[in-house]
Amino acid sequence: GESVGLHLPTLSVQEGDNSIINCAYSNSASDYFIWYKQESGKGPQFIIDIRSNMDKRQGQRVTVLLNKTVKHLSLQIAATQPGDSAVYFCAEGTNFGNEKLTFGTGTRLTIIP
Amino acid sequence: EPEVTQTPSHQVTQMGQEVILRCVPISNHLYFYWYRQILGQKVEFLVSFYNNEISEKSEIFDDQFSVERPDGSNFTLKIRSTKLEDSAMYFCASSEQDRPGELFFGEGSRLTVL
Repeated sequence: GESVGLHLPTLSVQEGDNSIINCAYSNSASDYFIWYKQESGKGPQFIIDIRSNMDKRQGQRVTVLLNKTVKHLSLQIAATQPGDSAVYFCAEGTNFGNEKLTFGTGTRLTIIP
Repeated sequence: EPEVTQTPSHQVTQMGQEVILRCVPISNHLYFYWYRQILGQKVEFLVSFYNNEISEKSEIFDDQFSVERPDGSNFTLKIRSTKLEDSAMYFCASSEQDRPGELFFGEGSRLTVL
């Protein structure tokens, strides 16, 4: 039979605005967190990562925030562009260097021109 | 820019048949992985491979699955006797020694089991 897909949270943002995508992770032992972007028909693409000894990390137009107290991770994308439209997954891992990553459900981000 | 390449892009097979999915990781990478994604669902870890042996595997990776690095460039996933529920997109990934957590994924091989 046909697989029933998960209902993805969606977020629509006007081009040029900032977006924030949130993720709740499950394992308090996780010490490594990554955001991936997946465009239709493609594999996940690494965006940014953060270790558990940090609470903020910045990249080019992206910032990841980690709140270990409430097991929450967020990805901020500044000045969004049409090419940012994709599904964004957070992933968590333990034992850095042996990457059995657990992926979240994903959020579909749509940039409105 | 170096990339992970996977073949075939799509394979259709009959239930019970053996399938081999092939991957060429990025050349200086030392950690290799297979993940899969059933249509519309989460990406799921299958197996990680380092120093010519499996370093970790998930409960999905049962006796029907095996991985091999037959030479210095290829990394393969074999499913011995496919089941309907093996239908999914299979992603190969690799990472380098200095940044083992930064996985580079291929574009995937779609497996359809009839």
